[in-house]
Amino acid sequence: GEDVEQSLFLSVREGDSSVINCTYTDSSSTYLYWYKQEPGAGLQLLTYIFSNMDMKQDQRLTVLLNKKDKHLSLRIADTQTGDSAIYFCAERMLEGYQKVTFGTGTKLQVIP
Amino acid sequence: DTAVSQTPKYLVTQMGNDKSIKCEQNLGHDTMYWYKQDSKKFLKIMFSYNNKELIINETVPNRFSPKSPDKAHLNLHINSLELGDSAVYFCASSQESMLGKVSYEQYFGPGTRLTVT
Repeated sequence: GEDVEQSLFLSVREGDSSVINCTYTDSSSTYLYWYKQEPGAGLQLLTYIFSNMDMKQDQRLTVLLNKKDKHLSLRIADTQTGDSAIYFCAERMLEGYQKVTFGTGTKLQVIP
Repeated sequence: DTAVSQTPKYLVTQMGNDKSIKCEQNLGHDTMYWYKQDSKKFLKIMFSYNNKELIINETVPNRFSPKSPDKAHLNLHINSLELGDSAVYFCASSQESMLGKVSYEQYFGPGTRLTVT
């Protein structure tokens, strides 16, 4: 299966942490990504994790990967109003040359 | 600026018309893509080309025909436009033929908002 599921909406207060969750179905995924889409713009890569890792931290971003449950999460510490955007997780399959499947997207709203 | 660019940014046209969207990348990548994003923000791959060769062709109507004149360009031609074609179309590129610790990150263009009336 190729469904990558995310909750549609998340609202947090400025300064709090945000956690965006993603469930994927293909156990042969090699890379998992988090992209950010601001209004009227294309997607931009935030961070990625290789499938043999459990965690990756990059400044305010922490990615957690639970391969057993096929669950990926993105934690944004000290969320700012500029973090308001749509966040997409994506998986790259081992089979399926170059094919990356994107999740359904989570709209993050940061309340000042 | 190194980037993926698309033209036009907005395209409004009537049903039945034929239109083209152009995409260029100056990142030196060997692979380019077309994605469709609907009104609910779902992003679906349509096509991918590697070194001008079609690699991925998802279940897209024959009215959509991609053309890659060279590695840096991937254009999308749409015949007999329908109301359901209204969406934002994104071009993207990546470097696939690399060894070592690389992310195969895709770089996206700004999108073309197509409205069919």
